[in-house]
Order: sequence, then structure tokens, then C-alpha cells
Amino acid sequence: AQTVTQSQPEMSVQEAETVTLSCTYDTSESNYYLFWYKQPPSRQMILVIRQEAYKQQNATENRFSVNFQKAAKSFSLKISDSQLGDTAMYFCAFCKTSGTYKYIFGTGTRLKVLA
Amino acid sequence: NAGVTQTPKFRILKIGQSMTLQCTQDMNHNYMYWYRQDPGMGLKLIYYSVGAGITDKGEVPNGYNVSRSTTEDFPLRLELAAPSQTSVYFCASIAIGQATYEQYFGPGTRLTVT
Repeated sequence: AQTVTQSQPEMSVQEAETVTLSCTYDTSESNYYLFWYKQPPSRQMILVIRQEAYKQQNATENRFSVNFQKAAKSFSLKISDSQLGDTAMYFCAFCKTSGTYKYIFGTGTRLKVLA
Repeated sequence: NAGVTQTPKFRILKIGQSMTLQCTQDMNHNYMYWYRQDPGMGLKLIYYSVGAGITDKGEVPNGYNVSRSTTEDFPLRLELAAPSQTSVYFCASIAIGQATYEQYFGPGTRLTVT
């Protein structure tokens, strides 16, 4: 069975600084996707970034980038130039791309950006 | 496209009452999911569906039932509500054919059972 672990329940960062959120996962699958979702106080789940396991290049989306280490089963999210609007819960998620497509979510990291 | 819509947004139930949470998507997605999110926790899968007429249990199915008679709708039924079912419920969908595997989420339903 797959598991996703986020070991940082809470983090804070000063506005304009850089912060890295950690995620590790366990799987025997070779083909899968990894995601970071943001959940602001509005509760809406918003996709931040995705990474295909077969791609060696780390995904980037504007100020958001990942450090994907497949052998170490690590998938961290780096937020550069943090903004007050980045304050939210961040969830790491795993989905294998064979069989049935069930997602496994981590327990989340609550990020607070300080002015 | 409205995306994934859920009704109601909030609901308070008494112990033992029943209700149906509605979920509709207009993106012709084949997979649909129901999750619950307890305070300070991640999402746990209740049920999912791979297409009309096909449903299967997730991680925490006890106390819930689902049906999928159409591609668009995936209602979640709570029978004999219990305080342990107090949670926020999210519906989500994906389109396998698009190969992005991105889940589209509804806005959630906050349910309190007292």
C-alpha cells in the first residue's frame, strides 16, 4: 500500500523569503504522479504543481518548484518570494497511473507567511 | 463550465438523521470521488466511482452509501448520522483520458452532527 508522509505540521516564513515543505512517500509502483495542493481558509483545494514520476526534470510553476528525488521517494515543494496569499494548508498527494486511480494524501503542512 | 458543484455548503444534523450530499460535475469526467477531511487532517477516501453504474469503497466507507446512475452525478448518502461523521466532505473528479491526473474539487460541505 502507498503512504504519503508530511513531517512538518506547521511552518512559517517571512514575506519575500523562501520556504521548503517536505513530503516523502512509499510505493512499489514505477509509474505515478505526485501533486501539491493548496487549501486556503476558503477550503477550496487548488492544484499548485504536479510531477510525473517518469520525468527527471523537476516541475516548476512560477514561484513554485519541486525537488523530486525518485530513488529517495522524496517530493519537496519550494516556494520562492513568499506572499501573504500563500498562507494555507499544503497537501502532498500520490496517484499511481495503473489500475484504479486512487489518490493518497498526506496530513498537510500549515504554512503561515508573516508580514 | 461550472466544474464540480456540491450542495449544501453547510448542514447540521441530529444523531440518527439521514441526508444526501449532492455532487455534480459538468466536465464529462469518468472518475469521481468522495473524501472527508477531519479538523487538521488530510483527506480520506470514502468511496469512488470509475464510471456510471460502478462504485467501490475507499478507506473509510462505513456509515455511507453512494450511487452513480449518470456520469454527472455522484451523491453520498449518510444513514443514521453519528457525531463521528462531523467533518468537511469534498467531492472530486478526474478525466483519465487527459493524462494529467489532476483532481478537480468541489467547494466542500461542512457537516456537523449533534
